[in-house]
Amino acid sequence: DQQVKQNSPSLSVQEGRISILNCDYTNSMFDYFLWYKKYPAEGPTFLISISSIKDKNEDGRFTVFLNKSAKHLSLHIVPSQPGDSAVYFCAATPNSGNTPLVFGKGTRLSVIA
Amino acid sequence: EAQVTQNPRYLITVTGKKLTVTCSQNMNHEYMSWYRQDPGLGLRQIYYSMNVEVTDKGDVPEGYKVSRKEKRNFPLILESPSPNQTSLYFCASSSGLAQFFGPGTRLTVL
Repeated sequence: DQQVKQNSPSLSVQEGRISILNCDYTNSMFDYFLWYKKYPAEGPTFLISISSIKDKNEDGRFTVFLNKSAKHLSLHIVPSQPGDSAVYFCAATPNSGNTPLVFGKGTRLSVIA
Repeated sequence: EAQVTQNPRYLITVTGKKLTVTCSQNMNHEYMSWYRQDPGLGLRQIYYSMNVEVTDKGDVPEGYKVSRKEKRNFPLILESPSPNQTSLYFCASSSGLAQFFGPGTRLTVL
């Protein structure tokens, strides 16, 4: 049973517009959530995280929103740039340190110039 | 430069021929982990290690072995590779919430 779900395999957005990537989870024990970005031929790189005591965390053009009651989080990228084209993975874990992450299947974002 | 390195980056082998993929990190991280990435399946954890001499199975450990004899190294061992282990493999390490990933090893088993 998939505990972290990214239901959109792909998303296309025009440059300058907002990209919204969604993620749902089923395990109520998850308290920490992360987003990773992955370019082809490279390893995933950490983007942004949020803990369950918050509903929003912002870092530059990237904002993550958490709706704990709905078990849903989303990553907003504003404005989207062609360099943002990558696969984005959502991940979740119950603890803040040195514990396994459970990943979603990823969403491929294409930002069109 | 802080990094996780993996070797080899690419490997083509045949069924049954033992192989080892090395992973090393220079950040003094206690936690290390191996993942495989397959189309449509995302990243799935194979094994992880909380510290030296401590290893645990992840979601897909069958057909793999690991060892953690020293803090910086966490090799992945395939004793008898099979074609269903053809995949893209990532090693990762962390000292807290976020894990840092290596560049990946693309393995093909014929």
